[in-house]
Amino acid sequence: EDQVTQSPEALRLQEGESSSLNCSYTVSGLRGLFWYRQDPGKGPEFLFTLYSAGEEKEKERLKATLTKKESFLHITAPKPEDSATYLCAVHYYSGNTPLVFGKGTRLSVIA
Amino acid sequence: DGGITQSPKYLFRKEGQNVTLSCEQNLNHDAMYWYRQDPGQGLRLIYYSQIVNDFQKGDIAEGYSVSREKKESFPLTVTSAQKNPTAFYLCASSRGQGVYGYTFGSGTRLTVV
Repeated sequence: EDQVTQSPEALRLQEGESSSLNCSYTVSGLRGLFWYRQDPGKGPEFLFTLYSAGEEKEKERLKATLTKKESFLHITAPKPEDSATYLCAVHYYSGNTPLVFGKGTRLSVIA
Repeated sequence: DGGITQSPKYLFRKEGQNVTLSCEQNLNHDAMYWYRQDPGQGLRLIYYSQIVNDFQKGDIAEGYSVSREKKESFPLTVTSAQKNPTAFYLCASSRGQGVYGYTFGSGTRLTVV
């Protein structure tokens, strides 16, 4: 059973069409939830860290929110340059366990 | 600028050969990680190391080996025992146990020819 599930797997938006990506997790004792952006052929780039339910972070057209069982990455009025794969990862209370990653959401924004 | 460097960017391997992927960081991070990325599979953990001279297997360690002789370096060897090595390999580092997140390298694409 996947501990971190991202949906949808792929999302195609028109430029300016706002939407949200979802990251749900089943682990208990969350220490932190991370969002990354990955462009094709490159390493993931850090976007946000969220530590507790109710927390929100914003950067340009992106806003990340966290509840007790899921996180949303809201994209407002997206542009073609927002096209990328968005990865979610969680860090939880279990000794020295590394981050657990979801499979990502591939976002395409069409002009 | 501090960062994490992976080399080479592209690597071609003949079947039956071992190859080593380089990962170097100058962030003074304690922990380092190797992930494999295949289309539709997300990031899968191969090995990780939290201190020098110590490392642990991840979810898909079979056919891979690592060493951590220096804090800055964490090379990954893909051995001939790895049956399907063609993939995109990512190295990452973190301060502490990852509660601050990871910094990733730019990746190495390995192709078996």
